[in-house]
Amino acid sequence: QQQVKQSPQSLIVQKGGISIINCAYENTAFDYFPWYQQFPGKGPALLIAIRPDVSEKKEGRFTISFNKSAKQFSLHIMDSQPGDSATYFCAALTTGGGNKLTFGTGTQLKVEL
Amino acid sequence: NAGVTQTPKFQVLKTGQSMTLQCAQDMNHEYMSWYRQDPGMGLRLIHYSVGAGITDQGEVPNGYNVSRSTTEDFPLRLLSAAPSQTSVYFCASHGIGDPRAANSPLHFGNGTRLTVT
Repeated sequence: QQQVKQSPQSLIVQKGGISIINCAYENTAFDYFPWYQQFPGKGPALLIAIRPDVSEKKEGRFTISFNKSAKQFSLHIMDSQPGDSATYFCAALTTGGGNKLTFGTGTQLKVEL
Repeated sequence: NAGVTQTPKFQVLKTGQSMTLQCAQDMNHEYMSWYRQDPGMGLRLIHYSVGAGITDQGEVPNGYNVSRSTTEDFPLRLLSAAPSQTSVYFCASHGIGDPRAANSPLHFGNGTRLTVT
């Protein structure tokens, strides 16, 4: 079963626009929610992360919004740039039992000029 | 500072062959793991280790073996390769303790692209 559901699968945004990627989870034991960015030929790299006791976290143009009651969280990329074109993964972590990450299925973002 | 190093970058195997994917980290991290990445399925955990001599199964362990004889190395063995194991494999590591307190819960290597024909 997919414990972390991510949408959309792909996204095309114009330069300067807002990119929004959504994730939903089921397991209430998850207690940390990172987002990873992956460029072709590279491994995923941490972009931004949030704890469930915080509703929003902003780092530069990247913002995570978190809704604990709905078990949903989303990544917003403001003023999207062509250099943001990459695959984005949401993930959820349980800090017990080996700190295992469960990933969403990924969103391929393309920012067009 | 090499971080997490995976070798080889590319590999082609025939069905039934065996091979070992190498992973080494130079950050003295206790925790290491192997993921496979397939289109539309994200990254799925194969095996992980919380320290030398300790390994455990992840979500998709069948057909793979691991061992952790040193802190630095965590090889992944394919016992008898099958076309279903065609994938990109990523090794990752992080230090012990609360990963939420760290800047990055996982450091990933750049992957091994495996094709089984």
